[in-house]
Amino acid sequence: NAGVTQTPKFQVLKTGQSMTLQCAQDMNHNSMYWYRQDPGMGLRLIYYSASEGTTDKGEVPNGYNVSRLNKREFSLRLESAAPSQTSVYFCASTLSGRTEAFFGQGTRLTVV
Amino acid sequence: GQQVMQIPQYQHVQEGEDFTTYCNSSTTLSNIQWYKQRPGGHPVFLIQLVKSGEVKKQKRLTFQFGEAKKNSSLHITATQTTDVGTYFCAGLTSGTYKYIFGTGTRLKVLA
Repeated sequence: NAGVTQTPKFQVLKTGQSMTLQCAQDMNHNSMYWYRQDPGMGLRLIYYSASEGTTDKGEVPNGYNVSRLNKREFSLRLESAAPSQTSVYFCASTLSGRTEAFFGQGTRLTVV
Repeated sequence: GQQVMQIPQYQHVQEGEDFTTYCNSSTTLSNIQWYKQRPGGHPVFLIQLVKSGEVKKQKRLTFQFGEAKKNSSLHITATQTTDVGTYFCAGLTSGTYKYIFGTGTRLKVLA
């Protein structure tokens, strides 16, 4: 049972490049989330998907797009990366949105 | 928008001392969760509190949810080196699926 799997684990981008962070869960969870973590800022919610077919903005959605491809997968896209998007990105999932969240191992992204 | 603040930001304690971190929300919460993140790791769920004034214990850890459901605390008795990490609270507002995380308290335990 893998839980929540994120790919890639590390990535370096040049300013202006685009990329997609992938997240998949095998726990049949309904809700999925993308967070970014910066020193001293805690975890900030970028986007979330309460259930398959729905997505909503979180605290810091600017510069990002998401796709809930199916119940298992929730991807995060950076269309034109900026140095301010250098961060550690975590994907998480919950059964119902009101239960414990399971996190992936994180993607460390550097934009130069 | 909703904000969740935690204090202190950092805490260094000698092994065996107690430790407390406090979480305060700008809005009333329907429930609150606590997570622990080891250095270089990902957040791991510890507990969820739902009721006003609720107190839960896990071995040396005691969690409280305030009467007004706007604040919470985590207390560790007699810290051990294995307690090292960052502790986050995460609050859920009624009618949403958005868990807003606090800024975290980084705990260092000196042996």
